[in-house]
Amino acid sequence: AQSVSQHNHHVILSEAASLELGCNYSYGGTVNLFWYVQYPGQHLQLLLKYFSGDPLVKGIKGFEAEFIKSKFSFNLRKPSVQWSDTAEYFCAVTYSSASKIIFGSGTRLSIRP
Amino acid sequence: ETGVTQTPRHLVMGMTNKKSLKCEQHLGHNAMYWYKQSAKKPLELMFVYNFKEQTENNSVPSRFSPECPNSSHLFLHLHTLQPEDSALYLCASSQVTTGAYNEQFFGPGTRLTVL
Repeated sequence: AQSVSQHNHHVILSEAASLELGCNYSYGGTVNLFWYVQYPGQHLQLLLKYFSGDPLVKGIKGFEAEFIKSKFSFNLRKPSVQWSDTAEYFCAVTYSSASKIIFGSGTRLSIRP
Repeated sequence: ETGVTQTPRHLVMGMTNKKSLKCEQHLGHNAMYWYKQSAKKPLELMFVYNFKEQTENNSVPSRFSPECPNSSHLFLHLHTLQPEDSALYLCASSQVTTGAYNEQFFGPGTRLTVL
């Protein structure tokens, strides 16, 4: 079955630490990949997306993600986190063979000031 | 600022009540979605409407009844809900092109509490 896995349920970091959140998806052909963020009390919003081309994708607020096809991964990274990055992060994928987007279970990121 | 609005933002209802959630998108998209977001669970896709036609129903109980009168509006009618239906209900929209489901734009959600 098509699925998305996010390995970390809760990550706690200090400000200025580097961040990497894991995301793996199951094989299913051509994919489009997304990271969404949900800040406390706010709606889900798109952080970045990969459709094709350069596998290193840059998003808003200094985030980037790398699509590694051989590993079925799309990990999210940020070199230096800020307290304002405290949020829940969702990886998602659409398969060309399916008519819906599949979300991972989310990773809660807490940043210590 | 979001192009997807949802009302009400909060709703408390008893198990015998009937209520409706409303979603409106101002983005000119052709697909709309209902999701359920519960604590410590993955986002659950409930319904998908593509060009006003329901294309997905993920085994959702019949006490949830969607309605899509046009491509800009989506409703979720609620009837005889259970306490475990308490959750954040999210609406989203996207532009679907041939063979591609693009990114979705989410509303702020309706926080539903069933007593």
